[in-house]
Amino acid sequence: AQSVTQLGSHVSVSEGALVLLRCNYSSSVPPYLFWYVQYPNQGLQLLLKYTSAATLVKGINGFEAEFKKSETSFHLTKPSAHMSDAAEYFCAVSEGRTGNQFYFGTGTSLTVIP
Amino acid sequence: EAGVVQSPRYKIIEKKQPVAFWCNPISGHNTLYWYLQNLGQGPELLIRYENEEAVDDSQLPKDRFSAERLKGVDSTLKIQPAELGDSAVYLCASSPGGGGVAGVYNEQFFGPGTRLTVL
Repeated sequence: AQSVTQLGSHVSVSEGALVLLRCNYSSSVPPYLFWYVQYPNQGLQLLLKYTSAATLVKGINGFEAEFKKSETSFHLTKPSAHMSDAAEYFCAVSEGRTGNQFYFGTGTSLTVIP
Repeated sequence: EAGVVQSPRYKIIEKKQPVAFWCNPISGHNTLYWYLQNLGQGPELLIRYENEEAVDDSQLPKDRFSAERLKGVDSTLKIQPAELGDSAVYLCASSPGGGGVAGVYNEQFFGPGTRLTVL
């Protein structure tokens, strides 16, 4: 079975600073990887996804993530944090012949300090 | 295009009472998921449907939880009787469905969730 580890349940950055949220996965087969964002009292919204194409994936709101097979990582970055980035972020991996089984990390809460 | 619709958004009940949640997936999406999300945690799968068939319900506490997806469209998740520990957010998601083709990923689209409080 797959597993996802998000290092750091809480991350605080200053407005304008680099955002780095870490995600490591375990997989015996090539994974499909996702980052989701969740704002208070809302469902999860897809930020970006890796599906075995380019290893550097660009998503919405200026976020990007790089798939590193040797490190089994898929860290999420944004060059300059904005106040509106404050939210909960989840890394997820899918497996299965049809890619229909998803496993989520425990999430990282991002705080942006003005 | 309408997203995944869930109702109610909030529900407060007393323990031992029954409760039901409803989900309408995106039109044409064959796969439907119900997740449980506890505070400060990631979603945990309760049940996954491929059309009307429950293909993964291994994490569904079947002594009190039940689900159905009649006609492979809308779905209902029920808890009877509810316990204090059931207080959480119940998320519904849908995806187009891989159709059995190896290597096909499926992006999930989430509804806003139902926040259940059991008193």
